[in-house]
Parts: sequence; structure tokens; C-alpha cells
Amino acid sequence: KAGVTQTPRYLIKTRGQQVTLSCSPISGHRSVSWYQQTPGQGLQFLFEYFSETQRNKGNFPGRFSGRQFSNSRSEMNVSTLELGDSALYLCASSSGTGTRGTQPQHFGDGTRLSIL
Amino acid sequence: AQTVTQSQPEMSVQEAETVTLSCTYDTSENNYYLFWYKQPPSRQMILVIRQEAYKQQNATENRFSVNFQKAAKSFSLKISDSQLGDTAMYFCAFRKGGSEKLVFGKGTKLTVNP
Repeated sequence: KAGVTQTPRYLIKTRGQQVTLSCSPISGHRSVSWYQQTPGQGLQFLFEYFSETQRNKGNFPGRFSGRQFSNSRSEMNVSTLELGDSALYLCASSSGTGTRGTQPQHFGDGTRLSIL
Repeated sequence: AQTVTQSQPEMSVQEAETVTLSCTYDTSENNYYLFWYKQPPSRQMILVIRQEAYKQQNATENRFSVNFQKAAKSFSLKISDSQLGDTAMYFCAFRKGGSEKLVFGKGTKLTVNP
């Protein structure tokens, strides 16, 4: 079974631009979560989607948004990029079935975003 | 809000020896799960072991085991017979029941020396 796939692997943008990152979960998984990883702040939760609905959101500005498609693939978008948005963005999927939060999450390799 | 604290930023161990990584957490929840994730330089986050809070028995996965002290809110990871491939960042994480959100500690960088 293929793992969680994130594209692109690396991305370089300049301040003020916007960016879209993609995540394809493990086949059959319906829950997708996004995390931002930086040396200073560590790993921080961005948001979680299940069946095309955002179920939970972290403490990030409105410039960070996401969506999920009917095939469970998810995208996150960051608008008006700032230098501080430079980070590794990780996506994780879980089946989302049964009692919520009981299934383990599986992570992708992440997208390394650099802002110049 | 839940917090997870890893007090050891870096640790090193000799190959074949045993090492213990510390983690404490703070929560008022009764239903929750604890995890240890490993992130090697390849950067993929890999689940090492998980513990359900309602289970008193400590979880074990091959060379990895935990010491879960619920009253003390402590969740340490023991790696036995350390291997060079164990070199990685190790993150302790908390997830409350009914939620997919993981709260991570800052991580411990473990180096296994030959």
C-alpha cells in the first residue's frame, strides 16, 4: 500500500507570493491533518480535514487555508507569504473510522518551503 | 491546553547499549493517547510506539518500550540494543480522545555512536 504522498518536495517562493501544497493520503484514509515544523516553534498543528470538512484548526492566521477533495486528497494554501513561513510542512493521514482519534496517523515526507 | 515537554534536547548512546528518552505532559483529560515518533534525516515522521492512557500495561514494540506513569504524567521511551539506524530526532506526542490533533514536544536528537 502506498504511503502518504506530498508534492512538491521542495519549493522556493518570494515574499508576497502564494503557494499551494498537495497531500495524497493512504488509500482508504479519510482524515488528513497538516503540521508546520520549524526549528524555533517545533511541530504545530495547522488543521484537519475529514470527508471534505474542516474538523479542527490550529492557531494560525487566515493566510493559511486548506481543503479536501472527494477522493480525500488535500491541499493547503498560504497566501501573502512571509519569511517566517519558511518551514517543513507535513501531512498526516488516518483512517478516521471508528472512534475518532484512535487510529494512528501516518506522515508523508513533507514539503520544504523556503521564502526568499 | 495540553503541553508536552522533552527535557533532553540531545542525547548520545553507544551501539548495542540502552538509552531512555524522557517526556512529561500536562492535561486534564482522562481519555488520551501518547506516542513516540522518530524523524530521521530523511525527515519522514515514523510512528515508533503508542500508548492508550486507559491501559496500565506499558506498550512494547521489539526493542522499544515505554514507561507510562499516568499519575506523574510521564511517558519515557527506552531503546534497547541501540542500532546506528536509531539515530534520529524523537518526538513525544499527545492526542486527546476524539481528536486527530497531535501536540508534540520539542524533540530529542539521539545519536547512536559506533
